[in-house]
Amino acid sequence: AQSVSQHNHHVILSEAASLELGCNYSYGGTVNLFWYVQYPGQHLQLLLKYFSGDPLVKGIKGFEAEFIKSKFSFNLRKPSVQWSDTAEYFCAVSPPARQLTFGSGTQLTVLP
Amino acid sequence: DAGVIQSPRHEVTEMGQEVTLRCKPISGHNSLFWYRQTMMRGLELLIYFNNNVPIDDSGMPEDRFSAKMPNASFSTLKIQPSEPRDSAVYFCASSPNTGRGQPQHFGDGTRLSIL
Repeated sequence: AQSVSQHNHHVILSEAASLELGCNYSYGGTVNLFWYVQYPGQHLQLLLKYFSGDPLVKGIKGFEAEFIKSKFSFNLRKPSVQWSDTAEYFCAVSPPARQLTFGSGTQLTVLP
Repeated sequence: DAGVIQSPRHEVTEMGQEVTLRCKPISGHNSLFWYRQTMMRGLELLIYFNNNVPIDDSGMPEDRFSAKMPNASFSTLKIQPSEPRDSAVYFCASSPNTGRGQPQHFGDGTRLSIL
């Protein structure tokens, strides 16, 4: 069975700092990769997704993620975070025709 | 375009009572998922349906939990009898199908508190 690891449980940054959240998965075949964001008190929203092609994926709100197949990783990045980016971020993996497996989430707190 | 609609948004009830959570998926989506989110366990998939048929219910914690999808536009998650440890936020999500590369669209969740 596939699994998803997000090693950073809580990240605290100041505004304008750069962000990188780690995501590693275990599955040997083709996968689809997603990052979701959950703002306080809200539902999960899709930030970006990777199916195939360019391994550097651009998402909404200035986020991007890079798929590195050899490392089984799909790390999320943003060059300069804002206070409004405070949220919980979930990485998710989906082999073809299978349901999503979510990581445990990373709580990001951005200090003004 | 309406998203996934869940009701109620909040429910507070005493232990032992029956709780029914409702979900209306996005029109045209063939797959529906029920998740539970807690601080301790994170986001857990409870069950998912494809074309109204339960495909995988291995995440349902115990027999007190049951889920139905009588038609393509409605699903329920029932807990009977409820216990305090069932307190959580329950999310419903839908996607066009469970095939390759289909992101899920989440509802606003039901925040359930069992006293």
